[in-house]
Amino acid sequence: GQNIDQPTEMTATEGAIVQINCTYQTSGFNGLFWYQQHAGEAPTFLSYNVLDGLEEKGRFSSFLSRSKGYSYLLLKELQMKDSASYLCAGGNYGQNFVFGPGTRLSVLP
Amino acid sequence: DAGVTQSPTHLIKTRGQQVTLRCSPKSGHDTVSWYQQALGQGPQFIFQYYEEEERQRGNFPDRFSGHQFPNYSSELNVNALLLGDSALYLCASSYPGGLSGRFGSGTRLTVV
Repeated sequence: GQNIDQPTEMTATEGAIVQINCTYQTSGFNGLFWYQQHAGEAPTFLSYNVLDGLEEKGRFSSFLSRSKGYSYLLLKELQMKDSASYLCAGGNYGQNFVFGPGTRLSVLP
Repeated sequence: DAGVTQSPTHLIKTRGQQVTLRCSPKSGHDTVSWYQQALGQGPQFIFQYYEEEERQRGNFPDRFSGHQFPNYSSELNVNALLLGDSALYLCASSYPGGLSGRFGSGTRLTVV
């Protein structure tokens, strides 16, 4: 089966670093995606990993280990506007996404 | 270059009614996928359309149906609405065999 797990909620302080973990049990994912979703809005694309390792993109980085079924999203220099839900999603070879439940991140001053 | 557009943005319907949601893909994309996102949950895949045919379907009942037009735009139809159909409905477009990661802004459906 295809199952993706993430923590439900996390809290961090403005200016800090936070790591949001995602674990999955599946065969057939050809990539791991991270999305940011503010309340009431659609998900916006943050990053995509197809190979093992770290992908860095400004304040955001994403890591993938396919053998361990594990990914994380790292957010540096947190800002209040980073308060949102973060969705981990597996990509099924161009067919569809399988999403995790999302992690609601609250950034406190 | 327009991204993925969806209409309407908000909709309120009564139980038992039927609803049609619309999606226009990003220019150059010919594959459209629909997702349902209940409050506090991740999006769930409904189905995907390519070349005017349903290519793949998630675990949704037959009350959920769709259509794709020759210009690649798509409709999602839901019959016999239930309270549990209240959700944000998202459309994503891509090339065949690709996941562009590009979603529309969604349609918020409320069933009362």
